[in-house]
Amino acid sequence: NAGVTQTPKFQVLKTGQSMTLQCAQDMNHEYMSWYRQDPGMGLRLIHYSVGAGITDQGEVPNGYNVSRSTTEDFPLRLLSAAPSQTSVYFCASSLNRVSTGELFFGEGSRLTVL
Amino acid sequence: TQLLEQSPQFLSIQEGENLTVYCNSSSVFSSLQWYRQEPGEGPVLLVTVVTGGEVKKLKRLTFQFGDARKDSSLHITAAQPGDTGLYLCAGEMGAGNNRKLIWGLGTSLAVNP
Repeated sequence: NAGVTQTPKFQVLKTGQSMTLQCAQDMNHEYMSWYRQDPGMGLRLIHYSVGAGITDQGEVPNGYNVSRSTTEDFPLRLLSAAPSQTSVYFCASSLNRVSTGELFFGEGSRLTVL
Repeated sequence: TQLLEQSPQFLSIQEGENLTVYCNSSSVFSSLQWYRQEPGEGPVLLVTVVTGGEVKKLKRLTFQFGDARKDSSLHITAAQPGDTGLYLCAGEMGAGNNRKLIWGLGTSLAVNP
C-alpha cells in the first residue's frame, strides 16, 4: 500500500521562485492537510481540506495556497518563496472529515530557500 | 505559549533502561494521541487515549491519560535501539467542526546499544 506519497523529497529554491509540493493518498481519506516542522516550533498546520472542493486555513497559511480538486490529491503551492519557508513539509490524511482522527503522514519534503 | 508541554526535550539512555516521557497541559483534551517519528520519516500513530485514567499497553510501551484529561505519560520498559526516535503527543480540543489537534514539541529519544 502506497499510503500518502509526497514529491519531491528534497528541493532547493531561490528567493522569489514558486513551486508546488505534491501530495497524493490512495486510502480514500476525506481529510488531508499540510504541516511544516521546524526545530523548536514543532508541527504547525498550514492548510487543510475536509473533502474535494473544500479547503481552509490552518495556523500558518501565509505564503501558501492549496486546492482539492480530487479526493486523492492535495498540492501545496508556494507563491514566492522566502527563506522563512525553509522547512520540512508533511502531508497528512485521515479517514474522517475532522482533523483529529488518526493521521497518516507522508515521508516529508525538505525545502531550502536561499 | 505552548499549550502542550513535553518533557524531557532530549533523552539519551542505554539499552535495557526504563524511561518515562511526559505530556502536560493546563487545558482539558477530549483525547490524546502519541506518535513516533523516525529520522527522515513522517510521524506514525502509536496510540489514542480517550478516557481519563485510561492505561493502554503496546508491548513494552505503556500509555496513561491523566484522570483530569490534562496530561499523559509514555513509559518504555527495557528500551531497545529500535525505540530511538522523536515522540510526539497531540491533544484534541474543541467540538464539532471546530475540533483541532494541539501538538507538543516532542521528546527526542536515543537508545544506545
